[in-house]
Amino acid sequence: GNSVTQMEGPVTLSEEAFLTINCTYTATGYPSLFWYVQYPGEGLQLLLKATKADDKGSNKGFEATYRKETTSFHLEKGSVQVSDSAVYFCALNQAGTALIFGKGTTLSVSS
Amino acid sequence: GAGVSQSPSNKVTEKGKDVELRCDPISGHTALYWYRQSLGQGLEFLIYFQGNSAPDKSGLPSDRFSAERTGGSVSTLTIQRTQQEDSAVYLCASTNSGDYGYTFGSGTRLTVV
Repeated sequence: GNSVTQMEGPVTLSEEAFLTINCTYTATGYPSLFWYVQYPGEGLQLLLKATKADDKGSNKGFEATYRKETTSFHLEKGSVQVSDSAVYFCALNQAGTALIFGKGTTLSVSS
Repeated sequence: GAGVSQSPSNKVTEKGKDVELRCDPISGHTALYWYRQSLGQGLEFLIYFQGNSAPDKSGLPSDRFSAERTGGSVSTLTIQRTQQEDSAVYLCASTNSGDYGYTFGSGTRLTVV
């Protein structure tokens, strides 16, 4: 069946450091891929998405590229801020099914 | 409404009691989903409603769990004879198209004591 694997956390970085959170998936066909973010005390929010191979999703300085050849959708940001501290979830969706999430990666950024 | 609304936001119940959790999706959204978020378990899919089709119940963990969606809008998740392991945050989401992502509610934090 379909699944999403993302790197275990927590990830601890200093402000302005480069961030990568790895995400790989297993799916039949061509799923859509997403990153969701959950800030402390808040609900899940869509961060970015890509619906086909080689698409790059971007938002708030974060980027992720849909790589079909490596079945990956790694999240990157060039310079993190304290306000980026949150839990990040990679997810995939195929028509007719519900979103499947990874287990989440906690990011903690210190000043 | 403007967003997905869930009630109550917090619920403490005694083991063995039944609970009902409510979700008001965004008006016009055809698909509605329930997930459970537990510490260390990530987001676990429970059930999915799409229009008038039969719901996908494949994620329900036991027959103590059930859900319905009345009139294609409001949904209620019912947990019978609650157990301590049912303690979690129950999240509801809705969408018109999976490709555009889901809009999540703030969740109901259920604590079974």
